[in-house]
Amino acid sequence: SQTIHQWPATLVQPVGSPLSLECTVEGTSNPNLYWYRQAAGRGLQLLFYSVGIGQISSEVPQNLSASRPQDRQFILSSKKLLLSDSGFYLCAWSGGWKSGDTQYFGPGTRLTVL
Amino acid sequence: GEDVEQSLFLSVREGDSSVINCTYTDSSSTYLYWYKQEPGAGLQLLTYIFSNMDMKQDQRLTVLLNKKDKHLSLRIADTQTGDSAIYFCAGTNEKLTFGTGTRLTIIP
Repeated sequence: SQTIHQWPATLVQPVGSPLSLECTVEGTSNPNLYWYRQAAGRGLQLLFYSVGIGQISSEVPQNLSASRPQDRQFILSSKKLLLSDSGFYLCAWSGGWKSGDTQYFGPGTRLTVL
Repeated sequence: GEDVEQSLFLSVREGDSSVINCTYTDSSSTYLYWYKQEPGAGLQLLTYIFSNMDMKQDQRLTVLLNKKDKHLSLRIADTQTGDSAIYFCAGTNEKLTFGTGTRLTIIP
């Protein structure tokens, strides 16, 4: 069966520091991968999605970037964190449009920028 | 793009039925989903309905889809304390668009 992992689970970082969040998927190949941010008490905002290695689409202009160095690995990064980057970051995978593109979510990373 | 709207809060007495409503704007959504998010956790897929269906039932969960009114609902029968969570509806048309979520509170 497929599983999706995220780490770290929680992170506290000072303003201006770099960021690297990792997401990996097991049990499937060539998944679509997604990064979402959920601000406190709010819905989900799609940040990036990827349909293959090295292919990244950005949904909103921001201080963050994403990379997909391997088929089942998706990384969210920042060179210098802002206070507004605080939130709950969720990674998700799907099998693509042919399978209805149902998305399955990881456990999330809670980021606090101080 | 698609807009998906939900009420923010719902309180239900334990043992009663909960009905969470959602409206969407894009009638070309192929699938419509309900996700559950417990505190501090990721989103758990509860159920989904294909756009050519009117109803889907899965144990205590019933999904109703009214395509004419672009209205989706999730009914939870015999609501339990473990059902306390935020419930998101989502529609897909190239991308998955989420509602703001409805926080369900169970009253003992």
